[in-house]
Amino acid sequence: QVTLRESGPALVKPTETVTLTCTFSGFSLSTPGMCVSWIRQPPGKALEWLARIDWDDSKFYTTSLKTRLTISKDTSKNQVVLSMTNMDPVDTATYYCARIRREFVVAPAGLSYYYYMDVWGKGTTVTVSS
Amino acid sequence: DIVMTQSPLFLPVTPGEPASISCRSSQSLLHRSGYNYLDWFLQKPGQSPQLLISLGFNRSSGVPDRFSGSGSGTDFTLKISRLEAEDVGVYYCMQTLQAPPYTFGQGTKLEIK
Repeated sequence: QVTLRESGPALVKPTETVTLTCTFSGFSLSTPGMCVSWIRQPPGKALEWLARIDWDDSKFYTTSLKTRLTISKDTSKNQVVLSMTNMDPVDTATYYCARIRREFVVAPAGLSYYYYMDVWGKGTTVTVSS
Repeated sequence: DIVMTQSPLFLPVTPGEPASISCRSSQSLLHRSGYNYLDWFLQKPGQSPQLLISLGFNRSSGVPDRFSGSGSGTDFTLKISRLEAEDVGVYYCMQTLQAPPYTFGQGTKLEIK
């Protein structure tokens, strides 16, 4: 069974750096095709994708927050860490991590693949306030 | 980045009746493989999102067959053939063609009428 659990501080002050940890089980981030993403959701608002780290340590970030985000993994601990600098009240949100896995499909044009977010954690809420 | 637009944003439906949600992308999501790289998620009240459909039509394991996804290119539809009370929540479409970055629609809140 695949599970993911987010953890981190519930309250941070403006300008501080927040570090969030995603601890997972049921899969290995060293397996080809496995990835973990972070997604956030401000209260009452839509989902926003933030970052992804892949089995081969490739890293991807949303354009608007790229300068503030750092994603990393510790394969031995089954953890993915997201750091976000210079926190602001608008960053108040529930932060989710999700597994992304690669799936191959046979198509008329040949073998292809796609990625999908199949399992999400329950989320951790971060409030930014002085 | 590809922009995803959903409609309606609020959808009251009577139990047992069908429901339909539209998702439009600012660019075609048709991959050279012939598949559309479009996923649907449901976020039930107080829960994290769950994957319903990938590739525009492929139901995830355990998803009831009353849910179906269709469409191609830039226009997609999620249909629920007969609404049940457990289907309430916010539905999101998300493109995975030009991803990362992944982009979500604004969400459609489905409620019982």
